[in-house]
Amino acid sequence: QQPVQSPQAVILREGEDAVINCSSSKALYSVHWYRQKHGEAPVFLMILLKGGEQKGHDKISASFNEKKQQSSLYLTASQLSYSGTYFCGTEQDNTGKLIFGQGTTLQVKP
Amino acid sequence: IAGITQAPTSQILAAGRRMTLRCTQDMRHNAMYWYRQDLGLGLRLIHYSNTAGTTGKGEVPDGYSVSRANTDDFPLTLASAVPSQTSVYFCASSDGFGELFFGEGSRLTVL
Repeated sequence: QQPVQSPQAVILREGEDAVINCSSSKALYSVHWYRQKHGEAPVFLMILLKGGEQKGHDKISASFNEKKQQSSLYLTASQLSYSGTYFCGTEQDNTGKLIFGQGTTLQVKP
Repeated sequence: IAGITQAPTSQILAAGRRMTLRCTQDMRHNAMYWYRQDLGLGLRLIHYSNTAGTTGKGEVPDGYSVSRANTDDFPLTLASAVPSQTSVYFCASSDGFGELFFGEGSRLTVL
C-alpha cells in the first residue's frame, strides 16, 4: 500500500526550513528518501532502517518512528538547489520491494 | 560510464501494439525494478527482480510482463498497449545496501 506524504507542495524562501512527512499503515522495515528534479531521474538521499539512527548529511536529515510507521525529512536553511519533488519509499520487509509515496513538490525561491 | 541504460528514450505507439522497453545495467546489481510515473501518483512499482531468474509483481503489474534471463538485462513488455499505459517508465537497480539507481526514463505515449 502506497505511503502518504504531506504536504503535497511547499514554497519556501532561501534559508527557510521545511519538513516533509511520510506515513504508512503497514509496519515498516525501512524508509528511503529520494529527490527528483524536473525531467530527471530520482536521486537517492538516504535510507533509514528499522532500529537504526537518524540519518543526515549536510543540511538534510531524516527520522524514522517505527511505532508510528512514520518518517520525516528535514531540510534546514534551504538552498535553491533543494527545489524538486521529494519521494519517500517504504519497504515492509527485507525483500527490496520499495513502494513510493505520491511525492512532495518543494520550490525554493530567492 | 557505469549505470543504467534505458531504450527507447521516447516512443509513440498505437493501441494494441506490442512494445518492449529495454533496461541494461553494468553495475552487476542483483535487484532490478520497473516503475511508472504519472502526475500526482508518484512512482508505482510494476515488477521487480531480486536476482537473475526470479521476478515478482509490484503494485500495478496488469498488462505488463518482465523477464530476467541474466544479471544485466530486465526488459519490460506491454503485450497489447492501451492508452492508460501512457506514462514515463523508470528502470532501477539496487546494490543490496538499499540505494536504488535509476535510469533516465522512457516516455511512452499510447494513442
